[in-house]
Amino acid sequence: KNQVEQSPQSLIILEGKNCTLQCNYTVSPFSNLRWYKQDTGRGPVSLTIMTFSENTKSNGRYTATLDADTKQSSLHITASQLSDSASYICVVSDRGSTLGRLYFGRGTQLTVWP
Amino acid sequence: EADIYQTPRYLVIGTGKKITLECSQTMGHDKMYWYQQDPGMELHLIHYSYGVNSTEKGDLSSESTVSRIRTEHFPLTLESARPSHTSQYLCASSSIEGRGPHSGANVLTFGAGSRLTVL
Repeated sequence: KNQVEQSPQSLIILEGKNCTLQCNYTVSPFSNLRWYKQDTGRGPVSLTIMTFSENTKSNGRYTATLDADTKQSSLHITASQLSDSASYICVVSDRGSTLGRLYFGRGTQLTVWP
Repeated sequence: EADIYQTPRYLVIGTGKKITLECSQTMGHDKMYWYQQDPGMELHLIHYSYGVNSTEKGDLSSESTVSRIRTEHFPLTLESARPSHTSQYLCASSSIEGRGPHSGANVLTFGAGSRLTVL
């Protein structure tokens, strides 16, 4: 069964600290993996997208890694800010093009305290 | 800034009422989607469309219906709302990456969502 599992379910950190969110998937075939940030009451916004050949992708203070062999991805947030408080969702696609099916994780709820 | 708009953002209605959630995008995307999201749960696809006059049911059974008369507009309708319909509804549209390492990847842009509460 194609699934996307994220951990931890929730995380609280102090402002300025780093954190790492995990995503494990069983989706096959694999096309690409993206991380989305969803602020409370808003729609998800794309942070990064990676395909099979990419191991690391950065977007400012966000760095995503992908190990296609172990089917694991992580999202590392450096020097966290209050505005990083949000749900981070891992999404895996089983093929390219609009015919690809998307598999969503339940998200990790990150809270950054001052 | 997202070019996909949803209205209303918040709606509280009584059981049995008919409601329509509006979704419009200005990006010229062919494919559009409706997702349902409950707190702490993953997004569930309830409807999608490949283009004008195309509508398909998603993975999650829904009593709602959709229409696609114009490329930019993809409204969702509930004929008779019930408390079990209380949820957040997210509209999205997608394009295909045409160049680079992500060529062919399906990139979704989401609206801000419509929070529906049925009393």
